[in-house]
Amino acid sequence: QVQLQESGPGLVKPSGTLSLTCAVSGGSISSSNWWSWVRQPPGKGLEWIGEIYHSGSTNYNPSLKSRVTISVDKSKNQFSLKLSSVTAADTAVYYCARGVITGKVDYMDVWGKGTTVTVSS
Amino acid sequence: EIVLTQSPATLSLSPGERATLSCRASQSVSSYLAWYQQKPGQAPRLLIYDASNRATGIPARFSGSGSGTDFTLTISSLEPEDFAVYYCQQRSNWPSTFGPGTKVDIK
Repeated sequence: QVQLQESGPGLVKPSGTLSLTCAVSGGSISSSNWWSWVRQPPGKGLEWIGEIYHSGSTNYNPSLKSRVTISVDKSKNQFSLKLSSVTAADTAVYYCARGVITGKVDYMDVWGKGTTVTVSS
Repeated sequence: EIVLTQSPATLSLSPGERATLSCRASQSVSSYLAWYQQKPGQAPRLLIYDASNRATGIPARFSGSGSGTDFTLTISSLEPEDFAVYYCQQRSNWPSTFGPGTKVDIK
């Protein structure tokens, strides 16, 4: 059974770079799945950040595209998120998730528990 | 960007009652729509994908319908563990977007 675990600093300074890692266990990151990041500001809804395939192919939300980088490390069976030039608006719970491909698209069927990132000086 | 609107914002029902949640898209998403359940302090859980297919392990009381711009999630008989927030998500166009959610709470 695939499990995901997010890790990274819980506090990031304004204008700094948020860096998170999602460790995949119980399965291979090289399987036929997309790997996604989703965030949820306190008391608000869900925002899709982007996704990566093990080949390195990525899709990003245009609203964040200039600041986001998602990468994969097959040797460590994990993928990562970097978000630069952060502000208080980037304070959120960040989730990683597996996207299961159903024909043309993928849906997030396995999620990490989430990690809270606060942007503050 | 496709905007998803969910209604009602809050649905107050009693256990055993039927819940009907709506999700409307600003343009057609074909059948590329999912429903997720989220409980406080937990990650979302995939319930329905491709508008009407139940995800693995999801009870039969959950069903989805619709295509194009109008979709419905139905919970036939609410169990105590079903009181939560429900989000729809479209995968038809980039970027993927979520609706604002419907909270199902206990009446």
